[in-house]
Amino acid sequence: AQTVTQSQPEMSVQEAETVTLSCTYDTSESDYYLFWYKQPPSRQMILVIRQEAYKQQNATENRFSVNFQKAAKSFSLKISDSQLGDAAMYFCAYQDSGGGADGLTFGKGTHLIIQP
Amino acid sequence: DGGITQSPKYLFRKEGQNVTLSCEQNLNHDAMYWYRQDPGQGLRLIYYSQIVNDFQKGDIAEGYSVSREKKESFPLTVTSAQKNPTAFYLCASSMGTRGNEQFFGPGTRLTVL
Repeated sequence: AQTVTQSQPEMSVQEAETVTLSCTYDTSESDYYLFWYKQPPSRQMILVIRQEAYKQQNATENRFSVNFQKAAKSFSLKISDSQLGDAAMYFCAYQDSGGGADGLTFGKGTHLIIQP
Repeated sequence: DGGITQSPKYLFRKEGQNVTLSCEQNLNHDAMYWYRQDPGQGLRLIYYSQIVNDFQKGDIAEGYSVSREKKESFPLTVTSAQKNPTAFYLCASSMGTRGNEQFFGPGTRLTVL
């Protein structure tokens, strides 16, 4: 079974600075999808960014970017110019490729604190 | 507005009782999912459904049951066989194939008294 590990239970960053959240995963598959979801205090899960394993180019969404290292099975999230609204739990998630729907395998999350 | 609704927001249950959590979506998504979230834990998959009248067990299906009679609805029943049901339950939906974004509802907090 696939596993996802987030080794940083909590991270703190000053507003306007850059922070990187770590994620590693274990799989024997060569094709899969990786996601970062954000869960603010409202507990509403929101997709931050998505990466397809067969694409070598790192995904970017505005201030959010990933560093995808397939050989190392690493998928870190970089948040640039941190804002107070970025404060949340961040979850890394994995999904096998293949036909049909399937659930996501989540890490335990990193609690991100933004210091004003 | 398209989205996913879950009801109720808070639910209290006595030990030994079954309880049903509602999940409705108007996104016209084929696939729907139920996840459980415990403090300090990530989300864990309970059940998912690719299409009406079809559903599959996830990693922690014991003590839970689901139905998918309509595309829009995917209710979850927490039975008395679930030994530790107190948790936060999240419903999600997506287009039918893998790799697509899963859209989440606001969740239901279930507490067993």
